Order: sequence, then structure tokens, then C-alpha cells
Amino acid sequence: QLQLQESGSGLVKPSQTLSLTCAVSGGSISSGGYSWSWIRQPPGKGLEWIGYIYHSGSTYYNPSLKSRVTISVDRSKNQFSLKLSSVTAADTAVYYCARVATDHYGMDVWGQGTTVTVSS
Amino acid sequence: DIQMTQSPSSLSASVGDRVTITCQASQDISNYLNWYQQKPGKAPKLLIYDASNLETGVPSRFSGSGSGTDFTFTISSLQPEDIATYYCQQYDNLLITFGQGTRLEIK
Repeated sequence: QLQLQESGSGLVKPSQTLSLTCAVSGGSISSGGYSWSWIRQPPGKGLEWIGYIYHSGSTYYNPSLKSRVTISVDRSKNQFSLKLSSVTAADTAVYYCARVATDHYGMDVWGQGTTVTVSS
Repeated sequence: DIQMTQSPSSLSASVGDRVTITCQASQDISNYLNWYQQKPGKAPKLLIYDASNLETGVPSRFSGSGSGTDFTFTISSLQPEDIATYYCQQYDNLLITFGQGTRLEIK
């Protein structure tokens, strides 16, 4: 079955760029009917949607993060990536990648999450 | 942007109780409303999509209803394994928003 696995730096310095990758296995990232999303959860807080990318490459971002976020897809490696620039301590969170079913925009497959800490 | 108001923020109930959580959208979102369960240290799990459709494999004690701005999530008979935080999530105009979450505890 489809599985997602996040990877990337767990510690990022303030003002630098956070970079994460989500590897997709058990299925193709180019499958129709799905988009691919990033969500984060600060410690002890709720879920915050970051953005998603269609297999076509079209992207949509949370307006509150849009100026700092880039989501891209690498079909040759069957993975998609997140870059978040100019990070501060407020960006410390567990970051999840997820598949989004575009008929109802529910996130039906999730990665296990990766913790990113912003600290000098 | 559409805001989601979820209530209550926390809830304590006994095994076998009927549990209800509500989610209100700041404007009409038709039935573009999904519900998730998140257990501590785990990724969220999709339970309900399009307001009332049960995701494959999810027990039938979970249900959802509503349309427009007002939505309800119900557990018909609370089980010990249902202890978790529940989130609503809306989709409208290509953007996604989560509710604040409801932490469900056993009394």
C-alpha cells in the first residue's frame, strides 16, 4: 500500500531555510486524482495546513505562509519537497506530508511526521 | 479566508456514551468538510469525508452530518480506543483550514 516518509534536517538555525522531502512508495506520485500536501503541528497545538501540489506542478499555499513557502515535485524520484525560508522559533513543529484525494480534499495517507526545531 | 470554529475544545465522557463535536464555518462550504482522529504521537487519520461519508475501514460508530456552515461529528458509543483529539478540516476555493481540535478523554 502507499506509504509516505518524511526526511530532512531536524535542526535549523533562525533566518535559515527549512528543507524537507517526502518519499512516496507503493504508488506513483503522478497518479491522477491526488495532490500532495504538507501540514505542520507545533508542540501541544493543532494542525496547520502549509500547502499542496498537484502532479501537474500547480501549487496552493496557506496565505499566512505563502511568502516563505515553496513546494515542488520530483517525479523521477517519486517524491515532493518543502522549503520554508526565514524560519523563526514559531516554525518549530512536527511536519507531516500527506496525500490529498482531490474529489473531497481529505488527506487519506499520511507520513509518520518529522520534528523540526528552529534554534541557534 | 474561511475560519473554522470547533467545539468543545475538550470533552470528558464515559465508555458507551454518545459523543458529539461541532464545527462551524465562517461561510458556506457546502459539504466540503472532513473529520480526523489523532492519537498522541501519531499522524492524523481520516475518518469522515464530504461531511458524512465514512472512510473505508472506519467503524460505523463514527458518523458525520451537516452542510453549509454547521457540521456535527458523532461517536454513537464511545470505546476506550477512541481517546484522541479530533479535528475538522474544510476545503474551499483551493484552500484548506483545520479546526482547533477537540480533545476527548475518558471519564
